[in-house]
This record gives sequence, C-alpha cells and structure tokens, in this order.
Amino acid sequence: GESVGLHLPTLSVQEGDNSIINCAYSNSASDYFIWYKQESGKGPQFIIDIRSNMDKRQGQRVTVLLNKTVKHLSLQIAATQPGDSAVYFCARAGGGSQGNLIFGKGTKLSVKP
Amino acid sequence: GAVVSQHPSWVICKSGTSVKIECRSLDFQATTMFWYRQFPKQSLMLMATSNEGSKATYEQGVEKDKFLINHASLTLSTLTVTSAHPEDSSFYICSAGDREQYFGPGTRLTVT
Repeated sequence: GESVGLHLPTLSVQEGDNSIINCAYSNSASDYFIWYKQESGKGPQFIIDIRSNMDKRQGQRVTVLLNKTVKHLSLQIAATQPGDSAVYFCARAGGGSQGNLIFGKGTKLSVKP
Repeated sequence: GAVVSQHPSWVICKSGTSVKIECRSLDFQATTMFWYRQFPKQSLMLMATSNEGSKATYEQGVEKDKFLINHASLTLSTLTVTSAHPEDSSFYICSAGDREQYFGPGTRLTVT
C-alpha cells in the first residue's frame, strides 16, 4: 500500500539555525509532492512542491529535496524564525493532479528565540 | 487570490443534532472540492471528494449517509454532519481547486 510518513514527530531549533524536516514515502509511483505548514487552529498553508522529475526545488528560505532512490523527501528552512513554528506536513498527490492528497503524520517545529 | 473560506469557524452542538459546514471559493471557481477531517495532533484524512453537479465520492470507511455533501455551485460545497455524536468532534477542513488545492481555515466541531 501507499503511505507517506515522517521520521520525527517534533523538532526544536534555535532561531537563526537551519531546519530540516524529513518525510518518507512508500509508493514508487508518486509523482508530485507538496509541503504544507499548519499553524494551530488553521488550515494547511502551501509552502513548496516538487515533481518526481526533479530532485531539488528552491523557494524563499525553503528548499525541497527529493531522493527517489530511497523514497525520501526533505524540507529545509534556512535561518529559521519564530514565525516558522508550526506543524509541517508532506503530502503526496498522484495521477498528475493535486486531488486526493495523502498527508504524512506531521512534524511539529518549535523555534527557540 | 485563491481564497477559500469556511463557515462557521467553530460550532458546538448537542448529540443527535445535525450541523452544516460551508466551504466557499471566494475568487475562483472549482469543479472539485475536498473535505478532510483532522483529529487533535493527527494528520489530515480525506473524507470525500465533492464534485459540482454530481454525487460526492467518499473514502473507504466514511459513511455517506452521515456526512452529506452538496456541491451545488462552482463556489460552494457544504458538509452536513447528521445525527452528530461526540466522536464526530473534530477539525473539518475543506480545499478547493481543479489543479492546485487551496485550503480553507477549518471548522472546529464540538459535539456535547
């Protein structure tokens, strides 16, 4: 079966440090991955996405790396800020569309000032 | 652009009553909307796919007669939790979009 899971449930970093959040997936047919940020009591917020024909994509302060060989996805946040504190989810969508997302368990990122 | 709203943002109801949650795409049209449920400290679980003008598609284990979905227009989908029970208390989140999904802010349902 397919699943998307996260390695670590919690991550605590010092303000200004870089954060790395990891995600593993089991379905080798996965072709589209998305990272979401969810603050307490709010809906998920899109951060960055990557398709399976890429291995790296960069945004503003964020980078997503995709290693299809080991079915691993990571989100790197540079110069982590207190406002980055939230739960981060990786999600998978298949079939060329973004519908029917399968979410991982989530990693709670806490940023210490 | 691409804003999705939900109403109400929170609701408390008594066991046995029904509750309707609205999901609106404010500045775009969406043939497809999705309903998710999220229990505390857990991930989002897809409940159903709402298709404008046709019946919703429910995920395995989700009772279609308990969670009624109506997608009457390209900007509105509603989820009605019928005969609510305390175990239905959860955070209900919708998303809309035919390609990229945009999430609503969620509705906190508490059944007493």
